[in-house]
Amino acid sequence: KNEVEQSPQNLTAQEGEFITINCSYSVGISALHWLQQHPGGGIVSLFMLSSGKKKHGRLIATINIQEKHSSLHITASHPRDSAVYICAVGRGNQFYFGTGTSLTVIP
Amino acid sequence: DAGVIQSPRHEVTEMGQEVTLRCKPISGHNSLFWYRQTMMRGLELLIYFNNNVPIDDSGMPEDRFSAKMPNASFSTLKIQPSEPRDSAVYFCASSLAGLVFTDTQYFGPGTRLTVL
Repeated sequence: KNEVEQSPQNLTAQEGEFITINCSYSVGISALHWLQQHPGGGIVSLFMLSSGKKKHGRLIATINIQEKHSSLHITASHPRDSAVYICAVGRGNQFYFGTGTSLTVIP
Repeated sequence: DAGVIQSPRHEVTEMGQEVTLRCKPISGHNSLFWYRQTMMRGLELLIYFNNNVPIDDSGMPEDRFSAKMPNASFSTLKIQPSEPRDSAVYFCASSLAGLVFTDTQYFGPGTRLTVL
C-alpha cells in the first residue's frame, strides 16, 4: 500500500485551462511537498506546506490536514508547465513519494 | 549560488565495479539527502545527513551501498560491487536547517548510472 496516492496519473490540457492535481496520504505528517520534474529530469521544489494554502505566480497549493488531502492548482496553464508533478510527505525520519502526475499542456 | 552540484552526470560501468557518486550541497545548508529514481519504484529516499551525521539510512537497499559526509561541503554515495539493478538516476538534495522534512529541498541535477 502506498502512503501517498496521486491522481490523475496522466493529464492532458489545452493551453489556458485550469488544472488540478490531487494528493492523498494515509499517515500523519509533519509537512507535504510538491515537486516539479522537468522533461530533462531536473527536480524543483514548488511548495512545502503544513497547513492552509500557498500561492506562487500561477500555482496554488492547498492542504487539508483533517482529510489528509492536498491539491495543486495551475491557473492559465501554459505548455511550459508540461512536467511531472510529485507529491511527497515527511513523517518522522521518513519521506514518502507519490508516483507523480504527468501533465502535458497543448498549445 | 551554484546550487547543489553532483558528479559525474553520467556513469556507465560494468557489473562488479565500484561506483562513487559525489555531491556538494549548497553552502550553509545543514541537511543532505540521497535519493534514487527508477521507472519501477519512482523516487526513494536512501539516506540523509544532518550536520554531517547520518540520521536515517533505512532506505539504503543493501550493504553494497554506503554513504559518507566527511564535511559540510561534500558527500559520497558508493556502490560496491555494482549490479545491473542499481541502474537509476541518483539525486542529491540539501536543505537549510531546522526539522529535516519541514524545509524546502534543493535538488542537484542527478547522476544517471548504468550498470551493464
